[in-house]
Amino acid sequence: DQQVKQNSPSLSVQEGRISILNCDYTNSMFDYFLWYKKYPAEGPTFLISISSIKDKNEDGRFTVFLNKSAKHLSLHIVPSQPGDSAVYFCAASLSGTYKYIFGTGTRLKVLA
Amino acid sequence: GAGVSQSPSNKVTEKGKDVELRCDPISGHTALYWYRQSLGQGLEFLIYFQGNSAPDKSGLPSDRFSAERTGGSVSTLTIQRTQQEDSAVYLCASSLVGVIPHQPQHFGDGTRLSIL
Repeated sequence: DQQVKQNSPSLSVQEGRISILNCDYTNSMFDYFLWYKKYPAEGPTFLISISSIKDKNEDGRFTVFLNKSAKHLSLHIVPSQPGDSAVYFCAASLSGTYKYIFGTGTRLKVLA
Repeated sequence: GAGVSQSPSNKVTEKGKDVELRCDPISGHTALYWYRQSLGQGLEFLIYFQGNSAPDKSGLPSDRFSAERTGGSVSTLTIQRTQQEDSAVYLCASSLVGVIPHQPQHFGDGTRLSIL
């Protein structure tokens, strides 16, 4: 039972354009969401997070949007840069627990 | 170093052998996690340590898998009688817990385990 789903395995975007990565979840009790970026042969790196009491969090070129009624979150990267090419994982967690439930990842390729 | 350190970075072993994977968390991080990423899959939670105790072992796939943590620091994940389906990248993460809620987990670069 996949509680966190990233339905697009890959995405290609032109440099300078917006990248939108999507994530859906099934458990309405999740209250904290994160995005991680992973380069080959490296561990995931924390990118940005959002609490369920918010619907938007912004950090530089990265913005995460949360739609609780749709159980959907998205990561917007604008403008996209070639160095953003990586696999992006979304993750969710429950209050009182410390484990993250990860999606299967979306491979982003930013074309120069 | 300042980050989470894992060793070895790669391990190739024969089916049926035991393997030990090591994780050095970020200094001062009380929480430590092990995950596994199989080919084409997301990260699968294995076990969580708070200090030296493991309140959540729910992700360990079988009794061939065990983990311990000593001195509130280094952790080892042991897989006994390895099987080919154990081949994966094993990732360790650590975080501060109890200071500020929802501190993000910081990951090491993983150990790529290949069972022949």
